[in-house]
Amino acid sequence: AQSVAQPEDQVNVAEGNPLTVKCTYSVSGNPYLFWYVQYPNRGLQFLLKYITGDNLVKGSYGFEAEFNKSQTSFHLKKPSALVSDSALYFCAVRDSRDSNYQLIWGAGTKLIIKP
Amino acid sequence: NAGVTQTPKFRVLKTGQSMTLLCAQDMNHEYMYWYRQDPGMGLRLIHYSVGEGTTAKGEVPDGYNVSRLKKQNFLLGLESAAPSQTSVYFCASSYGASGGVDTQYFGPGTRLTVL
Repeated sequence: AQSVAQPEDQVNVAEGNPLTVKCTYSVSGNPYLFWYVQYPNRGLQFLLKYITGDNLVKGSYGFEAEFNKSQTSFHLKKPSALVSDSALYFCAVRDSRDSNYQLIWGAGTKLIIKP
Repeated sequence: NAGVTQTPKFRVLKTGQSMTLLCAQDMNHEYMYWYRQDPGMGLRLIHYSVGEGTTAKGEVPDGYNVSRLKKQNFLLGLESAAPSQTSVYFCASSYGASGGVDTQYFGPGTRLTVL
């Protein structure tokens, strides 16, 4: 069965420092991986996705993520955090062998950027 | 271009009451989804639709029904509300190509409380 884990409920980073939000996954086929962000009282917004190809994926707002097949990870990164990056971040995965197009979502990681 | 809209934004029900949540999208997307978001659990798929007139069960379909009579609308019904259905409900839509790995666009959510 496919699954995704975000091992940290909360990540605290000082403004200007690099940030990493972790995601690991488990699928039987090839993974399709996504990151979304949710600001308070808002719906989710797409950040980036990995389908195939280059392991380093660049997305919106300066975020990037690296697909690591051997470690089954897809960590979200940004070189220099902004206070406005404070939000709830969700990782999601779909198994290439899954025929019903369902995404499996992580529980979310709250990112807090302190000035 | 409003994107994905949801009606209502908030609702309080008593146990046993019924209601319908409306989702509308103006992006001509084929796929539409209903999720619920509970603290510490991420998003869970309730039902989804891959086209007008079609619906399918997701991860947590019990107690809910859906209809997709028009391409742009996806309705979620609660026939007899229970306190366990207290949650934030999100609708999403996607273009529908690319084997289900396309970006999902989310509405702002409906916060439902069942007393």
